[in-house]
Amino acid sequence: GAVVSQHPSRVICKSGTSVKIECRSLDFQATTMFWYRQFPKKSLMLMATSNEGSKATYEQGVEKDKFLINHASLTLSTLTVTSAHPEDSSFYICSALWGPGNTIYFGEGSWLTVV
Amino acid sequence: DAKTTQPNSMESNEEEPVHLPCNHSTISGTDYIHWYRQLPSQGPEYVIHGLTSNVNNRMASLAIAEDRKSSTLILHRATLRDAAVYYCILRDVIDAGNMLTFGGGTRLMVKP
Repeated sequence: GAVVSQHPSRVICKSGTSVKIECRSLDFQATTMFWYRQFPKKSLMLMATSNEGSKATYEQGVEKDKFLINHASLTLSTLTVTSAHPEDSSFYICSALWGPGNTIYFGEGSWLTVV
Repeated sequence: DAKTTQPNSMESNEEEPVHLPCNHSTISGTDYIHWYRQLPSQGPEYVIHGLTSNVNNRMASLAIAEDRKSSTLILHRATLRDAAVYYCILRDVIDAGNMLTFGGGTRLMVKP
């Protein structure tokens, strides 16, 4: 079964508003989670590393003030897209480590459409 | 990060075996070979991983070349549900081993 869950799976928001996407680790603690973005027909691009209790680490070119990441607990990381624009429309996916082999598992993904 | 090279797409017939190749000529000694697949509109799904020896699990088999510069993911009997993009990824568990860098992957199409 799924070990990482995202919510919502789909969201539509108006341009200029903010939207929050949640990533939860199910029945395990995740001190580190990762956020990816994927445009249609493209591969996944790492946006940031979310660290529990500390600031996220952003990849080059990703605006930290636009994509706010909060990892306030060991089972929840949130990604907030602030002042969303149509070009932010994308598939957002989170991942976390789980299991004795530290396998990386991914959430189901969240489709964001900004209109 | 060491890079991988995969064919853009492959076709298979249902219930036939599928061999998905991956080249990773610059692999380092601490790189594990991971395979993930992504079904349409879903997050990537872990398939299998290995270091040097061939590996089998309920989903697939992983054959690793003796020099580790290439590997092959084997689906023993393709089903329509196996149609997905398959990513071959190197993960260095010593250095920055907790993130994955995705390449283009191979889009597998399965014909009934």
